[in-house]
Amino acid sequence: NAGVTQTPKFQVLKTGQSMTLQCAQDMNHNSMYWYRQDPGMGLRLIYYSASEGTTDKGEVPNGYNVSRLNKREFSLRLESAAPSQTSVYFCASSEALFQTERTFGSGTRLTVV
Amino acid sequence: EDKVVQSPLSLVVHEGDTVTLNCSYEVTNFRSLLWYKQEKKAPTFLFMLTSSGIEKKSGRLSSILDKKELFSILNITATQTGDSAIYLCAVFGNKLVFGAGTILRVKS
Repeated sequence: NAGVTQTPKFQVLKTGQSMTLQCAQDMNHNSMYWYRQDPGMGLRLIYYSASEGTTDKGEVPNGYNVSRLNKREFSLRLESAAPSQTSVYFCASSEALFQTERTFGSGTRLTVV
Repeated sequence: EDKVVQSPLSLVVHEGDTVTLNCSYEVTNFRSLLWYKQEKKAPTFLFMLTSSGIEKKSGRLSSILDKKELFSILNITATQTGDSAIYLCAVFGNKLVFGAGTILRVKS
């Protein structure tokens, strides 16, 4: 049972480069999320998708875009990476938006130089 | 603005010690409080508390919620090296807000 799968696990980018982080879940969950985790700041919500076909901004959406490709997949794109986007990124999913328990992927450690 | 504050930020204990981790919050329209354990990778769910005074227990871990004073504690008894992790508190009001976490290191 894979749960939430994220790729890649590690990435180094140069300032200005673009990349897409991939996320897929096999639990038939409706809602999916992208968080970033920085030291001393906890997990902060970047974007979320309440259900297939919808996406909404979270607390820190600037510099990011998302696509809910289908019910299983939710990708996060950095169009022009900046050093301030160096972080650990987590994808998560839940059965519904207001279901409090989220299942997390194993994270992507991104460094922008 | 919704806020979740955890303390201490980090602590180091010896195997067999008992630890208490704290979580205080200010959120609009409180629904629930959750505790997660994060080892090297993904946060994993421990407890969800919705009612004040209810103590959740799972082996050596227990948690209490006080909705009047707006805090929760997570207790770990007879700590083991495998308890070393970041413990995250999150509160669900109109949105899910995470605290910064407490880094626990258990020395053998």
